Amino acid sequence: GEDVEQSLFLSVREGDSSVINCTYTDSSSTYLYWYKQEPGAGLQLLTYIFSNMDMKQDQRLTVLLNKKDKHLSLRIADTQTGDSAIYFCAEVSGTYKYIFGTGTRLKVLA
Amino acid sequence: EPEVTQTPSHQVTQMGQEVILRCVPISNHLYFYWYRQILGQKVEFLVSFYNNEISEKSEIFDDQFSVERPDGSNFTLKIRSTKLEDSAMYFCASSFSPGLAALGGELFFGEGSRLTVL
Repeated sequence: GEDVEQSLFLSVREGDSSVINCTYTDSSSTYLYWYKQEPGAGLQLLTYIFSNMDMKQDQRLTVLLNKKDKHLSLRIADTQTGDSAIYFCAEVSGTYKYIFGTGTRLKVLA
Repeated sequence: EPEVTQTPSHQVTQMGQEVILRCVPISNHLYFYWYRQILGQKVEFLVSFYNNEISEKSEIFDDQFSVERPDGSNFTLKIRSTKLEDSAMYFCASSFSPGLAALGGELFFGEGSRLTVL
C-alpha cells in the first residue's frame, strides 16, 4: 500500500540550509506536497510539485523530486528561527486521499 | 482569512463512551476530511466526504466511526464506543476541489482536537 517515510528530527543553526527528506511508495502519485505545522496550529500547505517536474523553487524553498528513487526533499535556505515547525511530506493517492508522513520536527538553533 | 475551526481542542473521555468532534469547514469548500495522528506516528487518513456522502474511507474508519454534516456549516466525527487506541489528535480539513492544489485542491486544516481515552 501507499506509504510515506520521513525522519523525525532535524536540528540546524540559524542561517544554515535545512534539507528535509521524504520517500514515498506510490509511483502513480501525480502531486507531492509539503505541509508545515507550527505549534498550536493546523497543517498549512507550504509548497507542492507535479510529478513531471524534478525541481521547484519558491523564494527560500527548493523542492527536489527524484521519481526513479521516489525521493522528495525540501531545502530551506538561510533557515530562520521562525522556520522551526513540523514539516509533513504528502502524496495524493486517487482523488481524495492524501497520504502523510510522520512529519519532521525542525529545530533552528540561534 | 477564512479558517477551519475545530471543537473541542481537548477532550478526555472514559473508554466505551461516545465522543463527537466538531468542525466548521471553510464556507465555500465542498470536500471535507478527517485525519488523525497518534502521538509519534503518521498523520492517517480516516475519511473524505462530498455531496453529503462518504467519498472514501480507510481501514481505520470502521463501524464505530461515523461522519455527518448536520447543517450547512458543521462537519462532525462521531466515535460510538471509544477505545484506548483511539487516543490521538484528530484533524479536520476542507478543500474547494479534490487533489490538485493549483486548482483549489489545497487542504486547509483545523488546529486539531486532542482526544484522550482513559
